[in-house]
Amino acid sequence: EPEVTQTPSHQVTQMGQEVILRCVPISNHLYFYWYRQILGQKVEFLVSFYNNEISEKSEIFDDQFSVERPDGSNFTLKIRSTKLEDSAMYFCASSEDSGGAKNIQYFGAGTRLSVL
Amino acid sequence: KQEVTQIPAALSVPEGENLVLNCSFTDSAIYNLQWFRQDPGKGLTSLLLIQSSQREQTSGRLNASLDKSSGRSTLYIAASQPGDSATYLCAVYPLSSGSARQLTFGSGTQLTVLP
Repeated sequence: EPEVTQTPSHQVTQMGQEVILRCVPISNHLYFYWYRQILGQKVEFLVSFYNNEISEKSEIFDDQFSVERPDGSNFTLKIRSTKLEDSAMYFCASSEDSGGAKNIQYFGAGTRLSVL
Repeated sequence: KQEVTQIPAALSVPEGENLVLNCSFTDSAIYNLQWFRQDPGKGLTSLLLIQSSQREQTSGRLNASLDKSSGRSTLYIAASQPGDSATYLCAVYPLSSGSARQLTFGSGTQLTVLP
């Protein structure tokens, strides 16, 4: 069964460093998403991406964050200068379309980011 | 702003019991509602998607219902098994959104099924 793949599974970084989290969405999907879950808190929406541009973003997604689809298969989330409060599990998701049953979002296993 | 609440926060039942997990949302103008399962330290596995025009969806031992007017959804698990132990998350898709649909999640119900 097709699945969303995320790498690495765990990333440890020093505060102020740049990190890139990588995702390979399901191949025929057109919509891509990033969410995060701080330990013990709800899963929160960060950004959605369609047709090579950001479709929506939350207030969490400030200038320190960026997303990119550098080729036909990868979807990345970059955090330019990490802060302690960026420590969280980051989930990538994709959906075939935005309407009806094709709206169903499939999630990857997540990347745990630890900022020291 | 949409708020999603799930009760109970935790539930422990003996194997074989039927159980109901509850989800409520403050804004009934939703597009779809999705139930997920999350195992400790793992990703989110989609269980069921209910479109706004539907009242329920079934998959195996799982049945999810949706009552938009009252802002509620329930996930019914029949004949629970220890392998069902996980956190169950409810998430809603807003009606007023752009082309892509951002999910708003509840905090989940942590289910433990005792053998």
